[in-house]
Amino acid sequence: NAGVMQNPRHLVRRRGQEARLRCSPMKGHSHVYWYRQLPEEGLKFMVYLQKENIIDESGMPKERFSAEFPKEGPSILRIQQVVRGDSAAYFCASSPAVQETQYFGPGTRLLVL
Amino acid sequence: DAKTTQPPSMDCAEGRAANLPCNHSTISGNEYVYWYRQIHSQGPQYIIHGLKNNETNEMASLIITEDRKSSTLILPHATLRDTAVYYCIVRVVDNAGNMLTFGGGTRLMVKP
Repeated sequence: NAGVMQNPRHLVRRRGQEARLRCSPMKGHSHVYWYRQLPEEGLKFMVYLQKENIIDESGMPKERFSAEFPKEGPSILRIQQVVRGDSAAYFCASSPAVQETQYFGPGTRLLVL
Repeated sequence: DAKTTQPPSMDCAEGRAANLPCNHSTISGNEYVYWYRQIHSQGPQYIIHGLKNNETNEMASLIITEDRKSSTLILPHATLRDTAVYYCIVRVVDNAGNMLTFGGGTRLMVKP
């Protein structure tokens, strides 16, 4: 059973460009969580989604950030007009049900030049 | 979710047991104790979790005190590959869905 997959693993963007991060949950998992880890800091929750629904986006910045988890395909975290402060590792986790353990992917490391 | 307190760093000799403490004195009755680790900026790896009883799996053992105010993660025979940051997290598990709240963790250094 493949684990949580994220791509790309590394992404370089210039200020003002868009970044799209993809997360494919483990097979049978319909709950996806996104976390961000700034350099030398701990992971911080951003958003929780079920298929086609955003359940909790309390940790996501109101501007420039959006997330989706369509009926078919991976979950996407989209950052518009990136700034240097967006440089971080972005991790996705999935679980089969809301009460169950979350399993993490390898992360996408975003560098904004 | 309840706050947890962990020592910022610990050393352990290779082959010895590593005992990582966690204090969660304000834990509620419906909160589980979860442990994850992060090896050199990789994705966090789930280790073990428990509610009241002690738990053991192929990776580790979790000892929870009777009053549930603290717990200890035990790696029975630490190897160099166990060097990582270990996070103790308490989490309400209900139908509302809950994120994981990561603190600073304990940086475990396993030495030869």
